[in-house]
Amino acid sequence: GQSLEQPSEVTAVEGAIVQINCTYQTSGFYGLSWYQQHDGGAPTFLSYNALDGLEETGRFSSFLSRSDSYGYLLLQELQMKDSASYFCAVMNSNSGYALNFGKGTSLLVTP
Amino acid sequence: NAGVTQTPKFRVLKTGQSMTLLCAQDMNHEYMYWYRQDPGMGLRLIHYSVGEGTTAKGEVPDGYNVSRLKKQNFLLGLESAAPSQTSVYFCASSYYGQVYDEQYFGPGTRLTVT
Repeated sequence: GQSLEQPSEVTAVEGAIVQINCTYQTSGFYGLSWYQQHDGGAPTFLSYNALDGLEETGRFSSFLSRSDSYGYLLLQELQMKDSASYFCAVMNSNSGYALNFGKGTSLLVTP
Repeated sequence: NAGVTQTPKFRVLKTGQSMTLLCAQDMNHEYMYWYRQDPGMGLRLIHYSVGEGTTAKGEVPDGYNVSRLKKQNFLLGLESAAPSQTSVYFCASSYYGQVYDEQYFGPGTRLTVT
C-alpha cells in the first residue's frame, strides 16, 4: 500500500523560514508533488521532485531523498498569505496515476 | 479559459435523495478525477477517468457512480445519499496523468446530507 506522513500543524513567524516534512511509503515511486490549499479554496500545484535534490521556485523549494523516502517543502521569507494547508502527494500507480495525498500540514504564519 | 468548473457550489440533501455533480474542463485534458475532502483526512480519490468513455474506481468508490460521455465533462452521481457522504467534493484534471503533471482543481462542491 501507500502512506504519507506529514505534521498536522506548523506555526511560524512572518519573515522566517519553515520546513514541512513528508515521509512516504509506496511501491513504484514516480516522484513527490506538493500542493497548497487556502481555507475554502481549491488545491493548487506548487512543485514536483522526481530526482534527489532541491528544486527551487521563488520563495518555495522542495527537496527529495529517494533513499530515505523523504521530502520536504521549504518556505522562505514567510508572508501572512502563506497561511494555508500544504499536501505532499505521490503517484498512485493502481489508480490511473491519480495522486495519493497526505493528510496535509496546516501552516499558520503569525505577525 | 475557465479551467475546471464545478456545479453546484453548495447543496443540502436529505438521506436517500440522489444528485449529480458536474465537472467541466476546457483545457482538453485526458485525465479527470473526483476527490472528496473531509477534515483531517486529506483528499481521497473516489473515481477517475483516463479518457472519454472510460471510468474506474479509486480509493473510496462505494455509494458513487460516474460517467464521462464527453471529454470535457465528468459527472459524479450519488444514488441514495447518506450522512457519511457529507463532504467537500473536488474535481481535477490533468493532461498526461503523471505525477509531474500538474492537476488542476475545481473550486469544490460543499455537500451536506441530513
